[in-house]
Amino acid sequence: GIQVEQSPPDLILQEGANSTLRCNFSDSVNNLQWFHQNPWGQLINLFYIPSGTKQNGRLSATTVATERYSLLYISSSQTTDSGVYFCAVEQRDDKIIFGKGTRLHILP
Amino acid sequence: KAGVTQTPRYLIKTRGQQVTLSCSPISGHRSVSWYQQTPGQGLQFLFEYFSETQRNKGNFPGRFSGRQFSNSRSEMNVSTLELGDSALYLCASTGPVNEQFFGPGTRLTVL
Repeated sequence: GIQVEQSPPDLILQEGANSTLRCNFSDSVNNLQWFHQNPWGQLINLFYIPSGTKQNGRLSATTVATERYSLLYISSSQTTDSGVYFCAVEQRDDKIIFGKGTRLHILP
Repeated sequence: KAGVTQTPRYLIKTRGQQVTLSCSPISGHRSVSWYQQTPGQGLQFLFEYFSETQRNKGNFPGRFSGRQFSNSRSEMNVSTLELGDSALYLCASTGPVNEQFFGPGTRLTVL
């Protein structure tokens, strides 16, 4: 099956800093989503972004499908941004594969 | 619109028992997927149901099964529980362009 690799695995930043999270995938995909998992385990859908760029407040995402990667940008980080960020791709057989996530710690 | 609901939220069982988890998708969504999340294996796809039919299945043993009812609510069952089945079980409701919306999860502990 498809391999989904996220980097970095861990990131510690001061409040107010900007960050870029990366997701590489090994084959063509039907679509790609970014999620944020809060400390209570809830997965929040951030972006559905099979290609192109989208923005939502301080967050934006870009997927370059032809080069098999996606980036999630977080600007002016807040402590509430802490948690784990997952990239998930839908394979050609419609199965969803998650990366291992990037654990983000925002320090006050 | 109400979100995805899962019951129960927490569950403690002993080895050898069986368990049934329930998921109600967002109103109007007809597809429900189940995932298992563990610290070691991360988030793994279990199965997907659409209109009461299993449409896709991950690489889990036959002890893991599921079903979907005509109102799109879904249940998953794990029989003969093992210690390694301790995990957060997440249900996702699929939107019109295949985006996934997750419930709060059921945290299963097997003793």
